[in-house]
Amino acid sequence: SQKIEQNSEALNIQEGKTATLTCNYTNYSPAYLQWYRQDPGRGPVFLLLIRENEKEKRKERLKVTFDTTLKQSLFHITASQPADSATYLCALVDGTASKLTFGTGTRLQVTL
Amino acid sequence: GAGVSQSPRYKVAKRGQDVALRCDPISGHVSLFWYQQALGQGPEFLTYFQNEAQLDKSGLPSDRFFAERPEGSVSTLKIQRTQQEDSAVYLCASSSYEFLGLTTDTQYFGPGTRLTVL
Repeated sequence: SQKIEQNSEALNIQEGKTATLTCNYTNYSPAYLQWYRQDPGRGPVFLLLIRENEKEKRKERLKVTFDTTLKQSLFHITASQPADSATYLCALVDGTASKLTFGTGTRLQVTL
Repeated sequence: GAGVSQSPRYKVAKRGQDVALRCDPISGHVSLFWYQQALGQGPEFLTYFQNEAQLDKSGLPSDRFFAERPEGSVSTLKIQRTQQEDSAVYLCASSSYEFLGLTTDTQYFGPGTRLTVL
């Protein structure tokens, strides 16, 4: 069966450290993968997209890697800040489907 | 408007009541999506419109769920005879491209409508 798995337990890290979130998928062939941020009571907000032929993508303090052999994407936030505390969702489009399929999300808590 | 808006933001319904949830997408956006998000879960796809055409409704959980976008702009998600398991946040998203799978366009989400069925 098809699955997108993210750590269901919250990730707690100290301010200034690097947060690393994992997204694993099974039985999908995504052309690309996206990461979204969701704050309580709000809709998801797009952060980064990485294509299947890209190994790594960066945007300011954010970095995403995509390993199609391992069927895994890693999402890194360097020099994390309390304002980075939120739930982070990975999402993919399977083939040429017209819809995004989301993982369950990982809640990140950055403390002082 | 500047973003996707949804109304109402909160809706409480008694079991068996019909509800209608509204989505105003970003002006000019061709594609519109509805998602259902249960507590602690990621959004789950319900249906997709390209302009006024409903091209994919494979995610609608039952025939009690109905969506329309008659003029290719505002969309309404209707749930008939609501059940407790319908309690969730309903998210609407829009995109400026037609074929999500063939582009790298992103979706812009509204704040959602939190539906509670008692």
